[in-house]
Amino acid sequence: AQSVTQPDIHITVSEGASLELRCNYSYGATPYLFWYVQSPGQGLQLLLKYFSGDTLVQGIKGFEAEFKRSQSSFNLRKPSVHWSDAAEYFCAVGAPGGGADGLTFGKGTHLIIQP
Amino acid sequence: SQTIHQWPATLVQPVGSPLSLECTVEGTSNPNLYWYRQAAGRGLQLLFYSVGIGQISSEVPQNLSASRPQDRQFILSSKKLLLSDSGFYLCAWSPRRNTEAFFGQGTRLTVV
Repeated sequence: AQSVTQPDIHITVSEGASLELRCNYSYGATPYLFWYVQSPGQGLQLLLKYFSGDTLVQGIKGFEAEFKRSQSSFNLRKPSVHWSDAAEYFCAVGAPGGGADGLTFGKGTHLIIQP
Repeated sequence: SQTIHQWPATLVQPVGSPLSLECTVEGTSNPNLYWYRQAAGRGLQLLFYSVGIGQISSEVPQNLSASRPQDRQFILSSKKLLLSDSGFYLCAWSPRRNTEAFFGQGTRLTVV
């Protein structure tokens, strides 16, 4: 079965600084990979996804993520954060070959933006 | 475009009472449908998924059940709520198996 690890429970970044949120996965092959953002009391919004091809994927709100097969990682980045980026971020994997249905999520990283 | 509706947004229920949460999807047909539960600091736990009408798979044995009476309707139920059923419940749909999921706004359930 697949699993996802987000090593950082909380991250604090100054407004305007760059951001990188870490995600590592465990799966027997290349999974489908996703990043979601959640504001308090709200549902999850899809930021970006990776299925195959170019390992650097662009998403909404200026986010990008890079798939690194050798490191089993799919880290999320943003060159300059805004106060509105403060939220909970979840990395998720899906199994292209079937097996378990639904996405498997990490436990999330809480992003705090300092003025 | 596709939209997903989930209600109610918040719910406070006494222990032992029944539960019914409803989710509907518009703008697509034959979606894969999911119920997740989110506990603080524990990410999202998949409870049920459905690939078609009347087809329900359960990921975790528990006090809850799910039904899909129509193609774009997914219902989460319980006959008798437990305190441990409290949490944030999210409905989601996806166009294909194990691909991107689109979430509703969630229901905050508090069992008292």
